[in-house]
Amino acid sequence: SQELEQSPQSLIVQEGKNLTINCTSSKTLYGLYWYKQKYGEGLIFLMMLQKGGEEKSHEKITAKLDEKKQQSSLHITASQPSHAGIYLCGADTRNYGQNFVFGPGTRLSVLP
Amino acid sequence: DSGVTQTPKHLITATGQRVTLRCSPRSGDLSVYWYQQSLDQGLQFLIQYYNGEERAKGNILERFSAQQFPDLHSELNLSSLELGDSALYFCASSVTGSRAGEQFFGPGTRLTVL
Repeated sequence: SQELEQSPQSLIVQEGKNLTINCTSSKTLYGLYWYKQKYGEGLIFLMMLQKGGEEKSHEKITAKLDEKKQQSSLHITASQPSHAGIYLCGADTRNYGQNFVFGPGTRLSVLP
Repeated sequence: DSGVTQTPKHLITATGQRVTLRCSPRSGDLSVYWYQQSLDQGLQFLIQYYNGEERAKGNILERFSAQQFPDLHSELNLSSLELGDSALYFCASSVTGSRAGEQFFGPGTRLTVL
């Protein structure tokens, strides 16, 4: 079972458009991480959020963690083909009885 | 390039066999994590080692085992292989032993069990 849910499952956007990917947990998160994966390759760390209400940006990507620390969003502004890939959220889930879980991923395609 | 290396890149074997996957963490990183990624299960955390000691266990089967050596490289041993073990196996490393923080992922080993 997936303790972290992501939406949408996949996304196709035109280059230059903005988009948002969501990651939701039924339990409080003690650390939320966003990673990007090119198909069949390793994951690349994007950002880590730990505090409720925290927001971080890197280039055209902004991630936020809500006040309750149960939902995070990843927003890409003016998308480019280089943004294409699979975006996964991961979380420190000490109260899941495990240690680290990942969401199922959101597959992003950016059309030139 | 994350600095984490994994060998081999591809592995094809038969059911019932045993294989060993190897991982070298980034220089200076003490923690090594192993993950399994398959289409139906997604990315699953298997096990973590920190400075040679097992630190955390996830969804690792009893047929699987791992260890971290004094030089900090790690090996994941998969035995009595089944068709369902076919997957991408990733190793990641981090500086700290805590679960928080950035993990650096290797390129993965693609295991195919026939």
